[in-house]
Parts: sequence; structure tokens; C-alpha cells
Amino acid sequence: EAQVTQNPRYLITVTGKKLTVTCSQNMNHEYMSWYRQDPGLGLRQIYYSMNVEVTDKGDVPEGYKVSRKEKRNFPLILESPSPNQTSLYFCASSRDRWSGANVLTFGAGSRLTVL
Amino acid sequence: GQQLNQSPQSMFIQEGEDVSMNCTSSSIFNTWLWYKQDPGEGPVLLIALYKAGELTSNGRLTAQFGITRKDSFLNISASIPSDVGIYFCAGLSNQAGTALIFGKGTTLSVSS
Repeated sequence: EAQVTQNPRYLITVTGKKLTVTCSQNMNHEYMSWYRQDPGLGLRQIYYSMNVEVTDKGDVPEGYKVSRKEKRNFPLILESPSPNQTSLYFCASSRDRWSGANVLTFGAGSRLTVL
Repeated sequence: GQQLNQSPQSMFIQEGEDVSMNCTSSSIFNTWLWYKQDPGEGPVLLIALYKAGELTSNGRLTAQFGITRKDSFLNISASIPSDVGIYFCAGLSNQAGTALIFGKGTTLSVSS
């Protein structure tokens, strides 16, 4: 089944404790992206990657890092989490960014709470 | 930067009613997408639109790509309880350096 898999789905952590949210897709998609969803703010893009070893900042990159060493994986790293990073995070992928087939497939989400 | 204005922000309707929501932008888009997010899940694509004026249906859902390329509409006919969720529009331009832009979502509640 074609899907985007995120882990963990739920996480409670404390301020300053580094964490990584993994994301993996099995569709051989070139484009991958991370979003955060907050009440009243919709989906905001954190980082995206056009292909392996190519990453760029989205609208709200502060406090986050990403890497794209392999096509299928795009982990989101919070080096020193703070309470304002408490949010619902979504990873998404698409075949590419510009073609008519640019349809993002989303993971099920990772709910992160930073105390 | 580019922004999408999605309205209404929320809707409370009775089962069987029709629903309309829309997205507008000051920028031109070449692709419009409509997603639905069920509680506790990620957004799932409902309808994709690639051509100005295009009208596409998916069951009880119908979406249109506005002729000006600056807006899109989603209609749901004869709503049922499982239509509950958050509906997002998203637009993409071919302008270099731009990403898929999302509206803030319309939260739909359906009472039976």
C-alpha cells in the first residue's frame, strides 16, 4: 500500500531534550515536506526537500532541522525543543513539485507535546 | 507572500443539507487541490483541479477551478455525519520558489 509513515504518532517530552520524528514513503517520490498544524493557523510548511541531499526552508523553519540522505526518508529533528513547538506535525510527499501530478500524500500525523 | 483566504472558517449544518466553501487568492494558481482531514488523521486528497474553469466531481463532492485562476469552490451535496472534518484548499503556482499554499481550513460539523 502506497503510504507515508511517521513515527512516533504521539510524544510527550521536556524542554531541551533532542528528538527526531521519522518519515518514510514507499512511492519513490522526489518531493517531501514537513508541516505543522496549529488551531486557527492551518498547515504551515517547516522544511521541504526536492530530492536527495536537497532541502530548503519553508515558512516556519526556526528550531527545526531536516536531512534527506535517502529518497524514502525525511526525518524532522528538534535539537532543543521548546513549548512553542507543541503541535501536530505532518510529513507529506509527492512525485515532484511542478508536474500535473503534484498531489501531496500525507502521513497520519505526529502529536508532539513539549513540557 | 502568497496567501489563500478560505471561508467559512466553520460550519454547523443538519444532515441532508448542502454545503459550500471557497478559497480566494490575490495570486494566480495553476493547480487547486481540496483535502479532507478526519479527526486524528492526516489530510486526504478529495479532488484535484488543473485547468481554469474545470468542474470535477467525486461522489457527492463537486469542486471548481475558478475562471480567473484566483479562486476555487467545493460543494458537498446531501451531507451525512461522516462528512465531519476539516476541509483544506491548497493552491500551487508554477512560479519558481513557491510551494503548495494551504488555506486555514473549514471545520464542518454535521448533526443528525
